[in-house]
Amino acid sequence: GENVEQHPSTLSVQEGDSAVIKCTYSDSASNYFPWYKQELGKRPQLIIDIRSNVGEKKDQRIAVTLNKTAKHFSLHITETQPEDSAVYFCAAKTGGFKTIFGAGTRLFVKA
Amino acid sequence: DAGVTQSPTHLIKTRGQQVTLRCSPKSGHDTVSWYQQALGQGPQFIFQYYEEEERQRGNFPDRFSGHQFPNYSSELNVNALLLGDSALYLCASSGGGGPEAFFGQGTRLTVV
Repeated sequence: GENVEQHPSTLSVQEGDSAVIKCTYSDSASNYFPWYKQELGKRPQLIIDIRSNVGEKKDQRIAVTLNKTAKHFSLHITETQPEDSAVYFCAAKTGGFKTIFGAGTRLFVKA
Repeated sequence: DAGVTQSPTHLIKTRGQQVTLRCSPKSGHDTVSWYQQALGQGPQFIFQYYEEEERQRGNFPDRFSGHQFPNYSSELNVNALLLGDSALYLCASSGGGGPEAFFGQGTRLTVV
């Protein structure tokens, strides 16, 4: 069935370092890949997204890459700051209207 | 604009009872999706409503049902509650086929 796998489950980096979170999806008809940040006790917030006709997208310190052939997509955060600490979810919108989320990556940025 | 709002914020129910959760989408949005987020997990898609119809459903039993009203607000109903239904229930709205950029703050349901 449809599935999104996300790695790692926990990531700890030093302030100023980069963080990379990787996801794979199973449904080749998936065409939209959003990333959400969820702070403790708060709602998920869309931070960046990419469509299947684009290979890379960047927004300030955040970038996302997509490899449709391998069905991989990744989130890259550069110059990490303590306020980047949160749980990050990747997701894939299937060929229909369903969005499948990964299990999440808990990012810790140490000052 | 209040964004996506959900009510209630917290709810405690007993096994076997029924519950109704409510969601008001962001102004201008016509599509509402519901998700279940268990502790420490990613949101799981329950279903999506558009033009007052359920247009896609995730892998949830028929105990989970919903409704969308002419003003685009939506309800999620869960019958015969089980302990395993305890979770944060989120709704997200979108419009014009756009992304689900806006989530509500969620309803924390505890089944005892």
